[in-house]
Amino acid sequence: DVQMTQSPSAMSASVGDSVTITCRASQGVSNYLAWFQEKPGKVPKRLIYGASTLESGVPSRFSGSGSGTEFTLTISSLQPEDFATYYCLQHNSYPRTFGQGTKVEIK
Amino acid sequence: EVHLLESGGSLVQPGGSLRLSCLGSGFTFSDYAMAWVRQAPGKGLEWVSTVLYGDGGTLYADSVKGRFTISRDNSKNTMYLQMSSLRADDTAVYFCVKDSRAYCGGECYYAYWGQGTLVTVSS
Repeated sequence: DVQMTQSPSAMSASVGDSVTITCRASQGVSNYLAWFQEKPGKVPKRLIYGASTLESGVPSRFSGSGSGTEFTLTISSLQPEDFATYYCLQHNSYPRTFGQGTKVEIK
Repeated sequence: EVHLLESGGSLVQPGGSLRLSCLGSGFTFSDYAMAWVRQAPGKGLEWVSTVLYGDGGTLYADSVKGRFTISRDNSKNTMYLQMSSLRADDTAVYFCVKDSRAYCGGECYYAYWGQGTLVTVSS
């Protein structure tokens, strides 16, 4: 099974900050990596697919990079609506595996 | 517009059974693999099971293998999750997710989620 290690598990940041979240895969997953945003009581929303392709309608301050075993999600200028929990997902092999999540909180 | 509607969640006693359903619309249901993902209270997302398009092959997380059965009825645009021998740690919101189809890249995977249905296992 591919283990996805996501870090940090939580972080505090201010509006306007740049934040980076990392996912490391225990085995190569090519670019079969997606990032999701989840807000309390809401359905997870896909932000990035193919490791670096921005979902239509998602603000350009979100970006993804990486391939193989190391991936990052960057939010270039944090906005109030970005405070949420973020997850990575590898869909290169079964079982599909999510990272543990990163909660981005207001400082 | 793609729409996924789950149903069937409820309170059930440990050891009991429950069947979840997911009705898909706005896409050619039979062309796509479909998945269940769950989220226990205050916890992260966990992939549970996938039923493939075509031959309808099935895959399961180790945590549910032998207890849960996923299936689909393409004539009804519906996917099911039959859950048995339920345990307290199966308590979660269960999401229906549209997976991928043949010859489709990363854009097809996990783009659409239902609203979820709550399963509570408790005596």
